[in-house]
Amino acid sequence: DGGITQSPKYLFRKEGQNVTLSCEQNLNHDAMYWYRQDPGQGLRLIYYSQIVNDFQKGDIAEGYSVSREKKESFPLTVTSAQKNPTAFYLCASSRGLARNEQFFGPGTRLTVL
Amino acid sequence: KNQVEQSPQSLIILEGKNCTLQCNYTVSPFSNLRWYKQDTGRGPVSLTIMTFSENTKSNGRYTATLDADTKQSSLHITASQLSDSASYICVVSALGAGNNRKLIWGLGTSLAVNP
Repeated sequence: DGGITQSPKYLFRKEGQNVTLSCEQNLNHDAMYWYRQDPGQGLRLIYYSQIVNDFQKGDIAEGYSVSREKKESFPLTVTSAQKNPTAFYLCASSRGLARNEQFFGPGTRLTVL
Repeated sequence: KNQVEQSPQSLIILEGKNCTLQCNYTVSPFSNLRWYKQDTGRGPVSLTIMTFSENTKSNGRYTATLDADTKQSSLHITASQLSDSASYICVVSALGAGNNRKLIWGLGTSLAVNP
């Protein structure tokens, strides 16, 4: 898992509640990413950020929000607008945007009850 | 449409045996191809990366090949170990406008190595 930490490992929330997933990296990487992984599907990109205070929507950004106030941190908020939030969420970072190897965190499994 | 297809979907082998996983892609323009290993409940870890001009690359018991003409890659695992049990994901990077790249992820091959 390199120098990327995600917390918590498991998260349970009631339907309708917003929840924020933490992602921190100490690799001095400029780019950070959030993915969602569901059974039988490949990783799907939610949001990515190339630099502090800048981020872009990925393929499935609806119902999610992010911030990048610090180089080391890229938290993801799963809002009540996300129709099917139960999933395994992975954070990653790389030296450059999609050019270099991405290093992944251990993931957060979110279950919405 | 950019796509990455992997086969087989799942595979069971005995410890010590070799196996080969396949990845076919229809990604254009092609930038590079990576193989990742993902243990259950963990994040993926990169095994190899290959560019257009590379035909083969090894990482210990893992050897990846790339045929850019047929747009096929394979990952060969030699003398499998129980710890090789994982999902192996093929990812192709597509060149985009400016300096942008887009990653197209395969669904992975689930490998189980039995004693």
